[in-house]
Amino acid sequence: EAGVTQFPSHSVIEKGQTVTLRCDPISGHDNLYWYRRVMGKEIKFLLHFVKESKQDESGMPNNRFLAERTGGTYSTLKVQPAELEDSGVYFCASSQVARTSEETQYFGPGTRLLVL
Amino acid sequence: AQSVAQPEDQVNVAEGNPLTVKCTYSVSGNPYLFWYVQYPNRGLQFLLKYITGDNLVKGSYGFEAEFNKSQTSFHLKKPSALVSDSALYFCAVRARAAGNKLTFGGGTRVLVKP
Repeated sequence: EAGVTQFPSHSVIEKGQTVTLRCDPISGHDNLYWYRRVMGKEIKFLLHFVKESKQDESGMPNNRFLAERTGGTYSTLKVQPAELEDSGVYFCASSQVARTSEETQYFGPGTRLLVL
Repeated sequence: AQSVAQPEDQVNVAEGNPLTVKCTYSVSGNPYLFWYVQYPNRGLQFLLKYITGDNLVKGSYGFEAEFNKSQTSFHLKKPSALVSDSALYFCAVRARAAGNKLTFGGGTRVLVKP
């Protein structure tokens, strides 16, 4: 079974540009999450999709970030315009189980974003 | 609000010696607790979790963790460390009444020397 995949693995852009990150969850997983780790600090939650619906987007830092999951399969996270403080590693995770008590989130390799 | 503390940025241990990575948490109500490991240039890999029941949880690669409610701790342990255990370890908590999002600690780098 393929794991969570993310593309690209690395991205270097200039401040003010736009970047789109993609996440393909494990097949059949309805739950999809985005997290990020900035400047070697804690990994922080960004948002949670259940199928194509946003269940919780309380961690989205501002309106420069837009996440979509059309069709309930893969998800994209767009940063427009990118700022220096957006640099970090963006992780995607997915899970299958509906009951929170049994859920384990499986993470992808992450996308390293560097904004210059 | 929930939080996780990993008080050690780095842990150094000789191969064959016991390994302990510390984690304490703060959460309202009963927690779900997790350990993940990140090897170089890899994603986060799930090691183990505590949901309920036995306080000692066994996971992948010979790791185990002990849930201590009175001390609000969930330390990760391995009786005999391997060089290949060198990696970045993250503790995470999810509050039972706070949805699905995980709250992570800052991570602890483990270096196992031959």
